[in-house]
Amino acid sequence: EDQVTQSPEALRLQEGESSSLNCSYTVSGLRGLFWYRQDPGKGPEFLFTLYSAGEEKEKERLKATLTKKESFLHITAPKPEDSATYLCAVQLPFLLTGGGNKLTFGTGTQLKVEL
Amino acid sequence: SQTIHQWPATLVQPVGSPLSLECTVEGTSNPNLYWYRQAAGRGLQLLFYSVGIGQISSEVPQNLSASRPQDRQFILSSKKLLLSDSGFYLCACPRRGSTGELFFGEGSRLTVL
Repeated sequence: EDQVTQSPEALRLQEGESSSLNCSYTVSGLRGLFWYRQDPGKGPEFLFTLYSAGEEKEKERLKATLTKKESFLHITAPKPEDSATYLCAVQLPFLLTGGGNKLTFGTGTQLKVEL
Repeated sequence: SQTIHQWPATLVQPVGSPLSLECTVEGTSNPNLYWYRQAAGRGLQLLFYSVGIGQISSEVPQNLSASRPQDRQFILSSKKLLLSDSGFYLCACPRRGSTGELFFGEGSRLTVL
């Protein structure tokens, strides 16, 4: 079964039009939730790590939040350069992974910001 | 600084041909290394990970294999490619100074025809 689900699959915004991307997860005992940005033909670029419900992280126009069941990536007043695919990933409990940094990814939200 | 070199960047291969994708990590020592595949419209799927030289764990049954001949080198191989092996292959290691994040290379795009 899917452990990480991202929505929407695609999102088109006008420049300056704020919105949120969702990442829901079904894992118990989450060790960490990660947000990445991926440009076409490139490897994912790390944005944020969240460890516990209620935690928030910010970077420029992006803000990530975490609850016990989901995370949101809020984009405030986006610009065209924010266009990319945003990936969410979870780090499963040690019992399921045997340790290490194995991450389980969602399928991503493809964001397009237009002028 | 931490870098991951992957080559080739792009590869077009016929069905049944062999494959070798290479990954070399710099700026970190004794890293765990990971191979992920990203198929069109799908998320990143973990294929293999390695905690040291000669130590490989496979996450999913498949037509591919991995090897780690040196501490900072990770190789993905196949003896006979299938159409379903097409995808974007990413090598990763723990982000230096982090507790869980992965740092990714630029990827290798494989098209099997």
